Amino acid sequence: DGGITQSPKYLFRKEGQNVTLSCEQNLNHDAMYWYRQDPGQGLRLIYYSQIVNDFQKGDIAEGYSVSREKKESFPLTVTSAQKNPTAFYLCASSQGALAKNIQYFGAGTRLSVL
Amino acid sequence: AQTVTQSQPEMSVQEAETVTLSCTYDTSESNYYLFWYKQPPSRQMILVIRQEAYKQQNATENRFSVNFQKAAKSFSLKISDSQLGDTAMYFCAFMKTYSNSGYALNFGKGTSLLVTP
Repeated sequence: DGGITQSPKYLFRKEGQNVTLSCEQNLNHDAMYWYRQDPGQGLRLIYYSQIVNDFQKGDIAEGYSVSREKKESFPLTVTSAQKNPTAFYLCASSQGALAKNIQYFGAGTRLSVL
Repeated sequence: AQTVTQSQPEMSVQEAETVTLSCTYDTSESNYYLFWYKQPPSRQMILVIRQEAYKQQNATENRFSVNFQKAAKSFSLKISDSQLGDTAMYFCAFMKTYSNSGYALNFGKGTSLLVTP
């Protein structure tokens, strides 16, 4: 089945620790995205990547880092600089980063701070 | 600024009835795309419907349709014959342009819809 796989489903972070959220897609999509969802809020864009080896900051990139070494994979690292990391994180992909392209989402990762 | 506003935090409707969810947006672009996404309790985001601003005809997908008023920058979602499985958070989204010509979704805060028996 084609789709987007996010892992783990639940993740806990200790103070001062970096953690990495995985996102893999087998849809052969060029563009991938990371969004953060807080209670009572819509999704906010953290980073996006239009093509392999390229990525751009979104609206709330501070305290996060990404890499895009393979077309299928777009991992997100939540660094210790992110002081309020508790949120639901959603990864998405689309055929290209064009205005008309539909974004498909993974099932999400819930990150909590211990 | 490109913003999306959903003014109804919560709504409820009885099964088989019709409900309309409101959305307004702000943009200076002439052609753009608008979306409604559904997030059920599983939290999986699912596309409901997409509208291209250049198309005057309102988009329709089975029981879901939109009322797109470009001049008023309004994009409401109508759900007909509501079903219990329609219970979800509904997000209106606008495809926003970023600095290097990339696009990504800009979401409203959502409307929580409860369908009751």
